[in-house]
Parts: sequence; structure tokens; C-alpha cells
Amino acid sequence: DADVTQTPRNRITKTGKRIMLECSQTKGHDRMYWYRQDPGLGLQLIYYSFDVKDINKGEISDGYSVSRQAQAKFSLSLESAIPNQTALYFCATSDLQRTHRGVYGYTFGSGTRLTVV
Amino acid sequence: GQQVMQIPQYQHVQEGEDFTTYCNSSTTLSNIQWYKQRPGGHPVFLIQLVKSGEVKKQKRLTFQFGEAKKNSSLHITATQTTDVGTYFCAGHGGSQGNLIFGKGTKLSVKP
Repeated sequence: DADVTQTPRNRITKTGKRIMLECSQTKGHDRMYWYRQDPGLGLQLIYYSFDVKDINKGEISDGYSVSRQAQAKFSLSLESAIPNQTALYFCATSDLQRTHRGVYGYTFGSGTRLTVV
Repeated sequence: GQQVMQIPQYQHVQEGEDFTTYCNSSTTLSNIQWYKQRPGGHPVFLIQLVKSGEVKKQKRLTFQFGEAKKNSSLHITATQTTDVGTYFCAGHGGSQGNLIFGKGTKLSVKP
């Protein structure tokens, strides 16, 4: 089983619809992230959470919201989807202590390809 | 805000040729990480550099961290078709300690 699981893998939705992307992890990591990837633009941070009670905006949070339901679950919502939110979305996890020791980097899920029509 | 710039954006090489991608930060980094994303895949962590001037090797891949901890490079010797993908650098440097990713270098290798 994957360490970081994202659902759905693909989704087509209409403009104005609310949609939720889900992420769950079995790595026991404390930190979770949502990134957006557009061709040629790399990975842009949407939101991040250092623990269940901590939620922080990233570079491009407008139009998005998140919920950290448990240490292992971090969901991303688009309240009213628009076409320029069509992108590949990645959830990632990390563990603070292991990252600083250079043992592990971020672990990414397989991504959700979202198309807003 | 902090920016991480990566060049080139694309690189096409013949199999067996060398490849280098460069990463520059607008601020000093506490460390830098490198990731590889295969076509249709997700980013996979390759390595982290922490010390000024650090050089690490993984088989044909050589990673360097600059003396000022503001730049880094990834060099692949004698590329193979399995090296195809996009290589991202990512720096830790902000107050929140988040990773800021470069835009990546997409490598294609012609057999």
C-alpha cells in the first residue's frame, strides 16, 4: 500500500462546483502539505499543516481551503471551482526531526489530476 | 519573498552525454533538497545537502551545495534513458521552514 494516498486520482468538475481532494498517510509524519503543479511552473505550495491544530497558508491559497481531520488526514477543498484551477495536485508529508537530520525528504502522493470545465 | 530559480528549463541530450541543472536562491538556505519526477509520476526525494560546499554522489549523480549556501547543482554523468524526467531543487530557508521548489529542469534523453 502507498505511504501517501490521494483520492480521487482524476476528477472532472464543472465551474462553480465544490470539490474536495483527500489525502491520507501511513508514515506517521506530523507535517502535511498541498501543492499544485502546472506545466513549467514547478510546485506551488497551497496550504500546510504542522500538526492537527495548525493550518497555514502557502503561496497560492486564494480559492482553496483545507482541513486536518487527524494526524493522518489532510483534505483540500475548492469551494467554487474555476477553470484556472485545472492542475495536478499533490499531497506531501514530512517529519521535522528526520528532515533536519537529512534522513528523509518530503514523501509525495501520486497526485490528483483535476480538470474544471 | 524567497525565490529558488532553476536553469535550464529543458535539456535534450544524446544518451551518454552529461547533464547539469543549476539552482540559485535569492536568500541563504539552511539546506537544499533534490527531487526527480518521472513522466506521469510524482516527485521522489533524491538527496539533501546541508553543509557549505558539500558534495554528495549517488552512482552517476553528483550534487553540490555552494559555499555561500545560495546555489546548488546536479550533474549526471553519461546519461541513460532511465534518467528521463524533471529534476527539482527545493530550498529550506524561510521562517516557517517550508520547502520552496524551483520550477524544475525537464531532461529528455535520445537513445
